[in-house]
Amino acid sequence: EPEVTQTPSHQVTQMGQEVILRCVPISNHLYFYWYRQILGQKVEFLVSFYNNEISEKSEIFDDQFSVERPDGSNFTLKIRSTKLEDSAMYFCASSEQGTGGEDEQYFGPGTRLTVT
Amino acid sequence: QKEVEQNSGPLSVPEGAIASLNCTYSDRGSQSFFWYRQYSGKSPELIMFIYSNGDKEDGRFTAQLNKASQYVSLLIRDSQPSDSATYLCAVNWWGNEKLTFGTGTRLTIIP
Repeated sequence: EPEVTQTPSHQVTQMGQEVILRCVPISNHLYFYWYRQILGQKVEFLVSFYNNEISEKSEIFDDQFSVERPDGSNFTLKIRSTKLEDSAMYFCASSEQGTGGEDEQYFGPGTRLTVT
Repeated sequence: QKEVEQNSGPLSVPEGAIASLNCTYSDRGSQSFFWYRQYSGKSPELIMFIYSNGDKEDGRFTAQLNKASQYVSLLIRDSQPSDSATYLCAVNWWGNEKLTFGTGTRLTIIP
């Protein structure tokens, strides 16, 4: 069964460093998403991406963050100048469609980011 | 008013019984509703989705949607210890692409 994959599973970085989290969405899906979950808190939307551009973003997704689809399979989240409060699980998700509501998002296993 | 609300639990149910999980949401036009299961330290796993008023059944799971009362529920029949997890309710308001999650309800099935 097709699934979303993410690498690395765990990333440790020092405050102020840049990190890139990688995702391979399900192959026939067109919409890609990043969510994060701080330990003990709810899952929060960061950004959605369609047709090589951001289609929606949250207030969390400020200039510190960027997304890219560098090739036909990978989807990346870059976090510049990491802060302690960026420590969280970051989930990539993908779906066949997007707006209209009748679509399911499938989540990858996540990358645990620890900023020290 | 919070957009998506769930009782955080924990909810304890004996093995073999029916577990009932509830979620309320803000009414902002058309919506779709999704139930995810999340084991500790793992990612959300899609269980059910429902778009129309009424019941939708899939195996041991039944999703119920009541738009007039603004709630959606998930019933798990014949509960198994492996059903012990946090259940996340997520709402997609049409016109947006994001899912808005509730805080989740922690369910424990007691053998």
